[in-house]
Order: sequence, then structure tokens, then C-alpha cells
Amino acid sequence: EIVLTQSPGTLSLSPGERATLSCRASQSVSSSYLAWYQQKPGQAPRLLIYGASSRATGIPDRFSGSGSGTDFTLTISRLEPEDFAVYYCQQYGSSPLAFGQGTRLEIK
Amino acid sequence: QVQLVQSGAEVKKPGASVKVSCKVSGYTLTELSMHWVRQAPGKGLEWMGGFDPEDGETIYAQKFQGRVTMTEDTSTDTAYMELSSLRSEDTAVYYCATGFLAFDIWGQGTMVTVSS
Repeated sequence: EIVLTQSPGTLSLSPGERATLSCRASQSVSSSYLAWYQQKPGQAPRLLIYGASSRATGIPDRFSGSGSGTDFTLTISRLEPEDFAVYYCQQYGSSPLAFGQGTRLEIK
Repeated sequence: QVQLVQSGAEVKKPGASVKVSCKVSGYTLTELSMHWVRQAPGKGLEWMGGFDPEDGETIYAQKFQGRVTMTEDTSTDTAYMELSSLRSEDTAVYYCATGFLAFDIWGQGTMVTVSS
């Protein structure tokens, strides 16, 4: 069973700054089947990144994903006000699937 | 375009069961691998189980083994998740989720409250 650990738990930044979120897996993630989701209060999660580095449809290019094996990163190059939310990583390459515990991105 | 529409909120007593539905439109259920994810109030996302196309069967998270059953009615393109022996810790929003690239499509969520 793969366990995903996200860091930091909370990230306080200002609009216009760069955000770097980390996701570390307890074992290698199969074929980079690593996804990132954004969730805002009262809403279902939204897929941002799949396959570790591919942007989902309609996702702005300020969002980028990188990494392989056990270490993955979501980068938001210039924060917009609507980017402040909770972000989750997920491995979907092997059963059981798993989510990280989330990183809360808050306005400083 | 795939859309998932879930059944409405439920209030259940401890020990009871709940069955949440997820109606698919835009595709047929047989073309998708449906999963269920829950989120307790103020907490993170928790994968409960889903269809594994490599094995051709539904896989359940160990935490829910013996208490959860996920079924599908292909005649109506509706997926179901039934959770039994409910306890207060099962109070959560339950989502169905699927897609062709990870979980690109989510239902709107169904709030299940377990309270005496």
C-alpha cells in the first residue's frame, strides 16, 4: 500500500508569489500515475494535473507538475486570488488508490 | 461529456445502512471505471474503493472491507455505494468519481449524517 505525505500542511503566500507543494510517496508510483487536485469550500475536487506533469483540460499554464518515482511537486508560478484552496495529490497507478492529506494554501 | 448526478442528503441512525446512487450521463457506465471517495467534515479525501479494469473487479479499501458494497445497474447507467453498520465517524460527504485521466469527473457529493 502506497502512503502519500504532503508538505507543508499549510502554505501562506501573497498573490503574485510562487507556490511549491510537495508530495512524497512511500513507494515508487507506477508509471507516474500521480495526480493533483484543487478543492474549494463546498465544492468537489477539480483535477489539475495527471500523469505527474500533464495539465487537465482548461487548467491555466501557471500550474505545473513535476517529479517521478517517489517525489512529486506542484508549482503555481504566480498566485491568483482564486488559487487559494486546498490541494491534494493522488496515486492511481496501483490498488489501493490513495490521496495525500492535503496542503492548505492561504492568503498571507 | 460525462456528468455524474448523485442522490440527495441522508440522515441515518447508528447501525443502519445507507445507499447512495450516482447516475451517469454522456457515456455508459460500462465505458467507465467508477470510484467512491468520502470526506469527513474538515478532513481530507479518502478513497473507499472502485473498479479496477486490470483485474476486472471492484477493489475496496481495507478500512471498509466487509461494510461497503459497490454495485452498478448498467440498464440505467447508475452506480451505487452501500455502507452498512454506520457509526458517527461515517458522517461525511460521499463522492462518486471517474474519468479517463485520473478522476476528471466528480459527482456533486452526497452528505450522509449519522446521528442518534
